[in-house]
Amino acid sequence: QVQLVESGGGVVRPGRSLRLSCAASGFTFGSYGMHWVRQAPGKGLEWVAVIWYDGSNKYYDDSVKGRFTISRDNSKNTLYLQMNSLTTEDTAVYYCARGRLLRGFIDYWGQGTLVSVSS
Amino acid sequence: EIVLTQSPGTLSLSPGERATLSCRASQSVNSNYLAWYQQKPGQAPRLLIYGASSRATDIPDRFSGSGSGTDFTLTISRLDPEDFAVYYCQQSGTSPPMYTFGQGTKLEIK
Repeated sequence: QVQLVESGGGVVRPGRSLRLSCAASGFTFGSYGMHWVRQAPGKGLEWVAVIWYDGSNKYYDDSVKGRFTISRDNSKNTLYLQMNSLTTEDTAVYYCARGRLLRGFIDYWGQGTLVSVSS
Repeated sequence: EIVLTQSPGTLSLSPGERATLSCRASQSVNSNYLAWYQQKPGQAPRLLIYGASSRATDIPDRFSGSGSGTDFTLTISRLDPEDFAVYYCQQSGTSPPMYTFGQGTKLEIK
């Protein structure tokens, strides 16, 4: 079965960096686009970024563009999110999710990892 | 940027009743790229509907989606106790493929 397991969350000071990882299993990772979606405490879902199955294309929400970088290592079945210049507004649970890019939806989600930006 | 507005914010109903949730877009959306998700407290979202009206795998047939253009609807024909949750609509563009979510509708037990 499809499994997505995020790691790397934690407490970080404003202005610092953090890298999230997502280990994928149960499907051919290199055949699917992947997303990061976040959810601030008590708030709704906010799409963050998407990467093509082969890493050839990457797109970001304006709120993270220039600060966050999505990447993947298909040999390790792993998705990453490098987050720089973090602010308190970035505090959220970050979900790794499998995308059906040609159909425009997300079909599987990980359980999420909490990032808390606080001084 | 397309904005999705869901209504109502909170819907209070009893098990067995019919639920109708609305998702309105600020401009026309390709219905092929409109999806609905369910999220229960402490859990990740789950895909319910894609392409505006196609049920995802293992989703009960009491869930149905409809709509086109700027107005989309998620209907739950007879509420089961496990259906009380928050529901989100989502759309994606094609060029660039940016995704946006509605703010959510909380379906609570009356």
